[in-house]
Amino acid sequence: DIQMTQSPSSLSASVGDKVTITCRASQDISGLVAWYQQKPGKVPKLLIYTTSNLLSGVPSRFRGSGSGTDFTLTISSLQPEDVATYYCQKYNSVPWTFGQGTKVEIK
Amino acid sequence: QVELQESGPGLVKPSETLSLNCAVSGYSISSGFYWGWIRQPPGKGLEWIGSIDYSGNPHYNPSLKSRVTISLDTSQNQFSLKLTSVTAADTAVYYCASHAGNTFGPFDYWGQGTLVTVSS
Repeated sequence: DIQMTQSPSSLSASVGDKVTITCRASQDISGLVAWYQQKPGKVPKLLIYTTSNLLSGVPSRFRGSGSGTDFTLTISSLQPEDVATYYCQKYNSVPWTFGQGTKVEIK
Repeated sequence: QVELQESGPGLVKPSETLSLNCAVSGYSISSGFYWGWIRQPPGKGLEWIGSIDYSGNPHYNPSLKSRVTISLDTSQNQFSLKLTSVTAADTAVYYCASHAGNTFGPFDYWGQGTLVTVSS
C-alpha cells in the first residue's frame, strides 16, 4: 500500500504568516491528492482536489501544489478562521489513505 | 445538493457487529456517484473504511477487509456499513460521504458523523 506521510503534525503561526504543510507519498500518485480542513468538532471539508484545484468558495489564500510524490498545502496569510486540522488524502488507488493530519494554531 | 445522514446504535458490545446506515437525499444512489465510509477515533485522524459504486461493487481498506461489508439499499436510497467482531479500537465517529466526480474521487459531501462506542 502507498503511505502518505504528512508534516508537521502541528504548527503555531501568527495571523498573516505563510503556512506550509507537506504530504509525501511512498510512490507516485499521479497528482491525485486532495486536502481537507477539519475545524474543531466539525465535519471534514474538502478544500483542494487533484493537487491544486480549489473548490468553489475556498479562499484564494489556500493553494495546493506538487507532483510525483511530494505535495504541499500553503496558506498564504493565516487567518483566525483557519485554525483547524488539515489532512491530505490520496485517491489514485485503493486504499484511499489519509495523512496523519496537521493541527494549525494561532500563536 | 446531496445530503447524507448516518443512523445506527451509539453503543455496541465487544465481539458484536456494528451496523450503520447512511440515508442520501437530493440524489438517487442508483443513478451514479460513489459512496464511502470513513471513521475517526476520538482525538485521532481519519481512516477510510470502504466505498461502493452505484452498481453495488465495493472496495475495502485491506486493514479492515475481513470484517467489513458495505452494501446499497436502492429502495431506501441508502447505503450501509457492517463491521463484525468489534473491539474498543473500533470506537470512533463514523462518517458516510460521497466521492466527487462520479468516480472514486475525493470525498466532497459528508454526513454529520455518528459516534459509536464499543463497550460492555
